[in-house]
Amino acid sequence: EADIYQTPRYLVIGTGKKITLECSQTMGHDKMYWYQQDPGMELHLIHYSYGVNSTEKGDLSSESTVSRIRTEHFPLTLESARPSHTSQYLCASSEAQGEWETQYFGPGTRLLVL
Amino acid sequence: AQKITQTQPGMFVQEKEAVTLDCTYDTSDPSYGLFWYKQPSSGEMIFLIYQGSYDQQNATEGRYSLNFQKARKSANLVISASQLGDSAMYFCAMREFNFGNEKLTFGTGTRLTIIP
Repeated sequence: EADIYQTPRYLVIGTGKKITLECSQTMGHDKMYWYQQDPGMELHLIHYSYGVNSTEKGDLSSESTVSRIRTEHFPLTLESARPSHTSQYLCASSEAQGEWETQYFGPGTRLLVL
Repeated sequence: AQKITQTQPGMFVQEKEAVTLDCTYDTSDPSYGLFWYKQPSSGEMIFLIYQGSYDQQNATEGRYSLNFQKARKSANLVISASQLGDSAMYFCAMREFNFGNEKLTFGTGTRLTIIP
């Protein structure tokens, strides 16, 4: 079982507020990811990191930013939240498993921007 | 073109029956991995099983098995003896083994409901 944590689990916030979604893992994984998922839809990668001081944008364009100052911590920030940011945000990390890296996910943060 | 296709938006299955969730994929990369995840209503994604493209045998994990048909590019998930707790969304995903391409591409999911 993976040890990856996300806080808050649920967030309701007004337009224009700055928010940070926290993600931490205790497994020492180098690679971490952020996905965005609208209700009942597939996941889309928005950010990933290969390790400390490494961040890359994913396939889905996002106004959010990320940082990776410590191996275990990969927070996602929205400088000015908008209703279009309403979604579920899932953090994941991966370990090497033979040739393939299995990504383990946190419980997710459900964000509602009013 | 869709890289991962799940053609069953929803399925209803009687408890204790076996269920097969379909997944087809599209890639020109000879080296890739296929994954299945379960997402309960609480929202977390739970890793179930994976299959590498060069694996000779179908992957199995407890009640889960992956029916891998490489020539047909299909990777169906089979759940034996279904239980009420199996009710959830199920996502098929693929990772192509290109250096620097770290993403998982997900299908649109199948909502499985187990009927008592």
